[in-house]
Amino acid sequence: QVQLQESGPGLVKPSETLSLTCLVSGASVNTDDNYWAWIRQPPGKGLEWIAYIHYSGSPNYNPSLKSRITTSIDTTRNEFSLNLTAVTPADTAIYYCARGKITAASRGWFDPWGQGTLVTVSS
Amino acid sequence: SDLTQPASVSGSPGQSITISCSGSSHDVTAYNFVSWYQQYPGKAPKLIIYDVSRRPSGVSNRFSGSKSGNTASLTISGLQGEDEADYYCSAYRSSGTLLVFGGGTKVTVL
Repeated sequence: QVQLQESGPGLVKPSETLSLTCLVSGASVNTDDNYWAWIRQPPGKGLEWIAYIHYSGSPNYNPSLKSRITTSIDTTRNEFSLNLTAVTPADTAIYYCARGKITAASRGWFDPWGQGTLVTVSS
Repeated sequence: SDLTQPASVSGSPGQSITISCSGSSHDVTAYNFVSWYQQYPGKAPKLIIYDVSRRPSGVSNRFSGSKSGNTASLTISGLQGEDEADYYCSAYRSSGTLLVFGGGTKVTVL
């Protein structure tokens, strides 16, 4: 079955860059109908979509974060990544990676999700 | 949050409960692309409903979804103790913020 695993530092200093990677197993990141996503959840709060990534096209970003996000996908390693620049304590959250689907008949859902990784922004 | 959910819903074992998710003409009204997630404390969300009313393989048929106008709904029938969790709705938009979530609903089994 498809599994995703996030990795990256758990602590980032304010104004620095948060970098996370999601390793995918059981599926290829370069499959046409698979989109890959980042979603975050501040402790005790709700979910926020960050980005959709597809191996062959331009990524889609949440407009509220767009100016600070870059993403990439590595088909040789079967993983994808997120960089979030100029972080503040408001970026403290559990960051999840997930597989999404976007087809003409079905879209906007994520399954499965990685277990999530807590990133704390603090000096 | 872009989608509005009640903060909490409760019910007794065996009862049915419904969680609402109100959106706008840009998302819930416009498309049949509403999904629901179940999240236990300390765990990742799990997809339980997609495309308004479709259930992924392995998800109990006690979970069902529907939509009317700008409001989507998740119904849990035959409520069980294991259903005590947080539930989030999400909806697709065609532009801007492509995917929006509700604020989440805590389900308590009395």
